[in-house]
Amino acid sequence: IAGITQAPTSQILAAGRRMTLRCTQDMRHNAMYWYRQDLGLGLRLIHYSNTAGTTGKGEVPDGYSVSRANTDDFPLTLASAVPSQTSVYFCASSDSPGTGGTFGFGYTFGSGTRLTVV
Amino acid sequence: LAKTTQPISMDSYEGQEVNITCSHNNIATNDYITWYQQFPSQGPRFIIQGYKTKVTNEVASLFIPADRKSSTLSLPRVSLSDTAVYYCLVGDESSGYSTLTFGKGTMLLVSP
Repeated sequence: IAGITQAPTSQILAAGRRMTLRCTQDMRHNAMYWYRQDLGLGLRLIHYSNTAGTTGKGEVPDGYSVSRANTDDFPLTLASAVPSQTSVYFCASSDSPGTGGTFGFGYTFGSGTRLTVV
Repeated sequence: LAKTTQPISMDSYEGQEVNITCSHNNIATNDYITWYQQFPSQGPRFIIQGYKTKVTNEVASLFIPADRKSSTLSLPRVSLSDTAVYYCLVGDESSGYSTLTFGKGTMLLVSP
């Protein structure tokens, strides 16, 4: 089934450690996104990529980095994790970055990674 | 500056029609209005999108008045499985409308 795969599903991480959350899509979508979701705050955009080789900063990029070496993969790295990065992280993709994707299709989201930094 | 405003929560009963209204006073001329649904422990799921007037699919209807400053998501005859958070979105100007900003959404609780 085509879609987005995120790994790991969940992780407990010691503060100060480095962590990479993986995201792979098999739909050949051009654009990919990373959101974090915290109780009471909704989903907030961390970083995005409109096409392979390009990235952009979202609403809450500090402490995170991304790369887009190819179309399918969009890893999110926490260089030195802190407890405030405890959250559920969602990766998403769309075939077109304009106004939320090609009309009538929107974004496709992964199942999320639940990260706890202690 | 909030891009969209929608109720924090709504309650309904099985079989009723539910209408969730969202305001987006500063929507751009060429921007779409998109609604997503999110169940607990899952990522959001695209349900409907529109530009103006009315759009209907197998899940919901979307009503957009001529001025496009608001929109209403209509769920006909809801069931318990429609209990979820519903997000109304428009494009994010800061990224040249290439990304979406999710607000806090509307928590819909459907009771028997």
